[in-house]
Amino acid sequence: GEDVEQSLFLSVREGDSSVINCTYTDSSSTYLYWYKQEPGAGLQLLTYIFSNMDMKQDQRLTVLLNKKDKHLSLRIADTQTGDSAIYFCAERIGGSYIPTFGRGTSLIVHP
Amino acid sequence: SQTIHQWPATLVQPVGSPLSLECTVEGTSNPNLYWYRQAAGRGLQLLFYSVGIGQISSEVPQNLSASRPQDRQFILSSKKLLLSDSGFYLCAWSGLANTGELFFGEGSRLTVL
Repeated sequence: GEDVEQSLFLSVREGDSSVINCTYTDSSSTYLYWYKQEPGAGLQLLTYIFSNMDMKQDQRLTVLLNKKDKHLSLRIADTQTGDSAIYFCAERIGGSYIPTFGRGTSLIVHP
Repeated sequence: SQTIHQWPATLVQPVGSPLSLECTVEGTSNPNLYWYRQAAGRGLQLLFYSVGIGQISSEVPQNLSASRPQDRQFILSSKKLLLSDSGFYLCAWSGLANTGELFFGEGSRLTVL
């Protein structure tokens, strides 16, 4: 199976909160990342969290890390139509410079 | 500031024709460089990565190849394209920061007919 797993789709109403979930298998992951890909474009780093942290907040974004369950989530508050994109979870193990990406979650925001 | 450029942005090629996609990075030295492919409805597949000039590691066996003739230049090539080579190709770089995040180019859409 894949090392990093995400659900493929999430649909939310504009103004609601979105929660995108990710699970990973390698307990030695050092950094975990969330990237955003808008249609026809490359990926952009949204945020990352170091493995010794439980939570990181940056404006409308909140990242929660549960190391015991190897679960990472990204919460987007007050979701806007401009947040519609594919969101990729990725992990990187210390000593490696190659992250492992999930398959991406397509977030659809409707009015 | 650092920037990454890749071109062409869009390419339509017949089966059996050659391919050359180019990627350059500016504003940094000795970056790690990556080529990914994103097929429709699928995630990112790492094709090649490079830690230095002339150093290429291949992740998947296929009819593609990569070269790094200069420190900040990464080229993806094929001698004969297959239909299955169609996809969205992304170049990326990473630096020496411990956080290890990747910075991606805008992508090249390849359609093989």
